[in-house]
Amino acid sequence: GQNIDQPTEMTATEGAIVQINCTYQTSGFNGLFWYQQHAGEAPTFLSYNVLDGLEEKGRFSSFLSRSKGYSYLLLKELQMKDSASYLCAALILTGGGNKLTFGTGTQLKVEL
Amino acid sequence: DAGITQSPRHKVTETGTPVTLRCHQTENHRYMYWYRQDPGHGLRLIHYSYGVKDTDKGEVSDGYSVSRSKTEDFLLTLESATSSQTSVYFCAISESPGRKNSPLHFGNGTRLTVT
Repeated sequence: GQNIDQPTEMTATEGAIVQINCTYQTSGFNGLFWYQQHAGEAPTFLSYNVLDGLEEKGRFSSFLSRSKGYSYLLLKELQMKDSASYLCAALILTGGGNKLTFGTGTQLKVEL
Repeated sequence: DAGITQSPRHKVTETGTPVTLRCHQTENHRYMYWYRQDPGHGLRLIHYSYGVKDTDKGEVSDGYSVSRSKTEDFLLTLESATSSQTSVYFCAISESPGRKNSPLHFGNGTRLTVT
C-alpha cells in the first residue's frame, strides 16, 4: 500500500523559519510534490522534487531523499499569510499512468 | 490560472439519488483526476483518467463511476448517493505529472451534501 506521514499541526512565529517533514512508503515512487491550501480554497502547487537534493524557490525550499523516503518543506521569513495547510504528495507510476497520493496535510499557524 | 471549471459549485441532494459532477478543462491536458477531501483524511483519489476513455480507480472508488468521452470533460457519478459521500470534491488536471513544469492544477471544488 501507500503510506504518507506528516505532522498534523505546527505553530511558528512571524519572521521565523519552519520545516515541515514528510515521510513516505510507496511503491512506484516517481517524485514528491508540496501543495499549499488555504481554508476553503483549492490546493496550489509549491514545489516538485524528483531527484535527491534541495529545490529553492524564493522563501520556499523543498528537499528529497529517496533512499530515506523523506522530504521536507522549508519556509523562511514567515508571514501571516503563510498560515495554511501544507500537503505532501507522492507521484506514483502505475500501469495506467501517473497518480498523486496525498498525506493528510500539516496545518501551519503563524503567530505574531 | 489553469482553465479548469467544476460544476456545480454546491449541491444538496437526498440519499439514494444519482448525482453527476462535471469537470471541464480548456488546457487540452491528458490527465484528469477526481479527489474528495474530508477532515482528518486529506485528499483521497477517487478515479483518474490518462486519456479519452482511459480511466483507472483510486483508493476510494467504491460507489463512484467516471466517464471521459472527450478530452475536456471528466464526469464523476454517484449512482445512489449516501451520507458518507458528503464531502468537498476537487478535480485536477495535468499534461504529464512527472514533468517538472506540469504539476496538477486543481479546480475550485464542489461541496456536496447528501441528506
